Amino acid sequence: NAGVTQTPKFRVLKTGQSMTLLCAQDMNHEYMYWYRQDPGMGLRLIHYSVGEGTTAKGEVPDGYNVSRLKKQNFLLGLESAAPSQTSVYFCASRNTGREQYFGPGTRLTVT
Amino acid sequence: GENVEQHPSTLSVQEGDSAVIKCTYSDSASNYFPWYKQELGKRPQLIIDIRSNVGEKKDQRIAVTLNKTAKHFSLHITETQPEDSAVYFCAASSGYSTLTFGKGTMLLVSP
Repeated sequence: NAGVTQTPKFRVLKTGQSMTLLCAQDMNHEYMYWYRQDPGMGLRLIHYSVGEGTTAKGEVPDGYNVSRLKKQNFLLGLESAAPSQTSVYFCASRNTGREQYFGPGTRLTVT
Repeated sequence: GENVEQHPSTLSVQEGDSAVIKCTYSDSASNYFPWYKQELGKRPQLIIDIRSNVGEKKDQRIAVTLNKTAKHFSLHITETQPEDSAVYFCAASSGYSTLTFGKGTMLLVSP
């Protein structure tokens, strides 16, 4: 039981490049979330999903897209990366209980 | 939407002292208040949570209190130990699906 995993762990992009971050969970959780964490800013919700095939915007969705084609996977896409998207990205999942289980994070640098 | 304020941003204590971290929230409909601990370079992990129908909850050296009238809740750590050093985040949930996090408190426990 791996819990929540994220791929990749680190990535460096040039401005304008695109990439996809993968979140996978093996706990059969319905809810999945993408957050970004910046120094002094806490965890801010980008997008979330309440079940397979659903997505919704969070607090800071601009510049990101998501897809939840399979229940166990939640993908975060950056179509045209900008330096302001340099951050640590965390995925989380939960079921009917309220506790969110976080992945190990992806450190993204956009130059 | 919900807004969560957290204070202080940094807190230094001596080993064995108590530490208190305070949060306020804006949405009176919020009904779930978790606290997460994040060690350096690690993922956030839930340490305790409280629901709006309870005023206080305790788990060994950790306790959380909730004042719904004033819309604030606090984390209390007694007999602090160096391994308590971490960043602590409060959060509030006004809907069933999402959490709004505070900006975090860096707690440093000196031996």
